Amino acid sequence: AQRVTQPEKLLSVFKGAPVELKCNYSYSGSPELFWYVQYSRQRLQLLLRHISRESIKGFTADLNKGETSFHLKKPFAQEEDSAMYYCALRREYGNKLVFGAGTILRVKS
Amino acid sequence: GAGVSQSPRYKVAKRGQDVALRCDPISGHVSLFWYQQALGQGPEFLTYFQNEAQLDKSGLPSDRFFAERPEGSVSTLKIQRTQQEDSAVYLCASSLLAGFSGANVLTFGAGSRLTVL
Repeated sequence: AQRVTQPEKLLSVFKGAPVELKCNYSYSGSPELFWYVQYSRQRLQLLLRHISRESIKGFTADLNKGETSFHLKKPFAQEEDSAMYYCALRREYGNKLVFGAGTILRVKS
Repeated sequence: GAGVSQSPRYKVAKRGQDVALRCDPISGHVSLFWYQQALGQGPEFLTYFQNEAQLDKSGLPSDRFFAERPEGSVSTLKIQRTQQEDSAVYLCASSLLAGFSGANVLTFGAGSRLTVL
């Protein structure tokens, strides 16, 4: 079975500091990996997906199959980045997402 | 509508009561998912519809849980004889296409928070 692990429940950084939200997964095939974000009082929404290789709001994530990781990074955190972040996996030919437990990011001024 | 609409937003039920949660997906969206999110956890998959066909119900925790989407649009998640462990936020999500990859992005609703006393 697939599993997604986000080891930190809470990550607190100062504004302007680098951010790395960790995500590790277990799956033997070729997964699709996603990061979802939920801002305060808002709905869960897609932030980015590994196949797009894009940078959204300054965030990037690289799929490392050797380490089975998909860490989310941003070089300079902003206060508006404060939110709950979920890493999610979809197995090849599957339709459902498997989510991690989430990490709260708090950016302090 | 412009987004995925769920109702009720909040539901308090006494243990043993039946509840029904409704999801109005974005018009024309083929795929519809239900997820359960317990406090402090990530969403967990319950079931998946492609139009009116329920193609995957492997995540439904027991036979007390039942979902339908009879006309391929609105979906209802029904929980019979609710138990305290059913307390959670129930999220509905829809996507334009069948399957899930590439540009086929999931849009989530705000969720229905169920509290079973």
